[in-house]
This record gives sequence, structure tokens and C-alpha cells, in this order.
Amino acid sequence: AQSVAQPEDQVNVAEGNPLTVKCTYSVSGNPYLFWYVQYPNRGLQFLLKYITGDNLVKGSYGFEAEFNKSQTSFHLKKPSALVSDSALYFCAVRDIGGTGGFKTIFGAGTRLFVKA
Amino acid sequence: GAGVSQSPSNKVTEKGKDVELRCDPISGHTALYWYRQSLGQGLEFLIYFQGNSAPDKSGLPSDRFSAERTGGSVSTLTIQRTQQEDSAVYLCASSLALGVQETQYFGPGTRLLVL
Repeated sequence: AQSVAQPEDQVNVAEGNPLTVKCTYSVSGNPYLFWYVQYPNRGLQFLLKYITGDNLVKGSYGFEAEFNKSQTSFHLKKPSALVSDSALYFCAVRDIGGTGGFKTIFGAGTRLFVKA
Repeated sequence: GAGVSQSPSNKVTEKGKDVELRCDPISGHTALYWYRQSLGQGLEFLIYFQGNSAPDKSGLPSDRFSAERTGGSVSTLTIQRTQQEDSAVYLCASSLALGVQETQYFGPGTRLLVL
């Protein structure tokens, strides 16, 4: 079965600085990887995904993530953080061709605070 | 177009009562998911429907929980004999298909409080 870990409960960064939100995963087959964001009092929104192809994936709002198979990681990055990026970020994984079936497993979430 | 809708938005019930939560997916989306998000926690997978295939029920926490999807569209999650630990936000999501088009669109959730 698959699992996903977000080792940081919270990340603090100053506006204008680069940000990284970490995610590592474990699958028995191959991974489909996703990042979702939950803004205060709003629903979960899709940011980006890795299905196949280029390891560097670009998504909404200037975010990007790099799939690293050897390190089993899919860290979320942005070159210059905005105060409006402050939210709860979830990494998710589906195990393709493994034992996880069709379910998508979400990490516990990382709260990002961007200070002006 | 219309997104995923869920009803009710809030539900307060007494311990031991049954509740039904409804999800209307985006039209044409073949996959539908239910998750539970407890306060300050991540999303817990509950159940997954894909087209006419048998659902993946492996995330349902007990036999008090059940879900159905009628006509490949609307889904209902039923919790029987509710317990206080069932209090959470129940989220529904749909996606157009699996694979390259596998992006989940989430509804606003139903906030369930069991007294």
C-alpha cells in the first residue's frame, strides 16, 4: 500500500523569499503525485500533478514540484513567496500497478505562513 | 460550469442517529471520492467509485459507514448510529477519468457535528 509523508507541520517564510514544502512517498508500483492547497474557509484546490514525463512539473500560481524517483520525493517550490500563498498544502499519491488499488492517499498537510 | 456540490453544508445530530450526506459531482466525471477531514488533520480516504465498477470501500472505518452512487452521478454517504468520533468535515471529490486526466475537484464539504 502507498503512504505519503509531509515532515513539516508548518513552514514559515518571508515574502519574496523562495519556499519549499517537502513531501516523500512510498509505493509498491509507480506513483501518481499531486499537490492540493486549502485556503482558509475555502475548499481544496488542485495545484499540480506528476503522472509521467518531465520530472519538473509546473502548476498554478507559480508553483512547481520536482519528481525525484531515487529520493522518493515530490517537494513543492516557489521562487518568490507571496502573503496570499499562506494556506494548508497537501501532498497526495496514488500507487499505479501496485497494491493500493484506486485510492489516493493524502499527507497530513503542511501549513505555510508567509510574512510580509 | 458548476463544480462539485455537497449538502447539507452543516449537520448537527445526536449520538445514535443516522445521517445522510449528499454529493453531486461535476457532470460527466466518472470517478467520485469521499474523504473525511478531522479538525487539523489530513484527509482520510473513505470510498471511491469509478464508472460501473465495484467501489473501493477499503477506507470505510466501520460497518456503520456505507455509500452508494446512483446512475453514475449523485452519491450518498450514510453513517448509521453516529458516534461523537464521527464529527468531521466530509469531503467529496470527482475527476473526469483516471490517468492523465486524474485531477480531483473538491466540493465545499459537509461539516458534521455529533453531540
